[in-house]
Amino acid sequence: NAGVTQTPKFQVLKTGQSMTLQCAQDMNHNSMYWYRQDPGMGLRLIYYSASEGTTDKGEVPNGYNVSRLNKREFSLRLESAAPSQTSVYFCASNGRTSGDSYNEQFFGPGTRLTVL
Amino acid sequence: RKEVEQDPGPFNVPEGATVAFNCTYSNSASQSFFWYRQDCRKEPKLLMSVYSSGNEDGRFTAQLNRASQYISLLIRDSKLSDSATYLCVVTDTGSARQLTFGSGTQLTVLP
Repeated sequence: NAGVTQTPKFQVLKTGQSMTLQCAQDMNHNSMYWYRQDPGMGLRLIYYSASEGTTDKGEVPNGYNVSRLNKREFSLRLESAAPSQTSVYFCASNGRTSGDSYNEQFFGPGTRLTVL
Repeated sequence: RKEVEQDPGPFNVPEGATVAFNCTYSNSASQSFFWYRQDCRKEPKLLMSVYSSGNEDGRFTAQLNRASQYISLLIRDSKLSDSATYLCVVTDTGSARQLTFGSGTQLTVLP
């Protein structure tokens, strides 16, 4: 199993450009998430999807859109990038590891985005 | 007030030392509690869940005090490989199991 994969790993954009961050998981999890991580701020939830076909706003959704394309894929789109969106973006999915009594969140390797 | 608060550190300790991290959370309805570990420029990974009765995993011990809304992580006999940022994580009661992360506590174990 590849777990959670993200593309690209690095990206530099100019202000006003758009791009889509891709995320996929092969663990058959229902819930998927997008976070951003900034120094001293911890991880903040941008959007999440509790199941295929549903999406909801998190703590910091402004400037972003998401698409839950199917159970495996959850993409994050920046329509008009701003310098304030410079951050590390993590995708995650939530599910139960065999034998455990709790759900665990599995993260992708992250996308390091710089907006100039 | 942040929902999950941690001392950011950094904690610099010698190998073999015992170190403890604390975390407080503001939502009394929080349901589940975890410690995640994040290495430099890597994704967070689950270290251990935190049970009401306290639990131990090798050199790591986690405690939960629901009345005080307080979580702790104790690391005994620190190893160089324990150097990382430790994130306190709390989940809500919703079906999507949203996680709220603390900002993390940075640990460096020195030779």
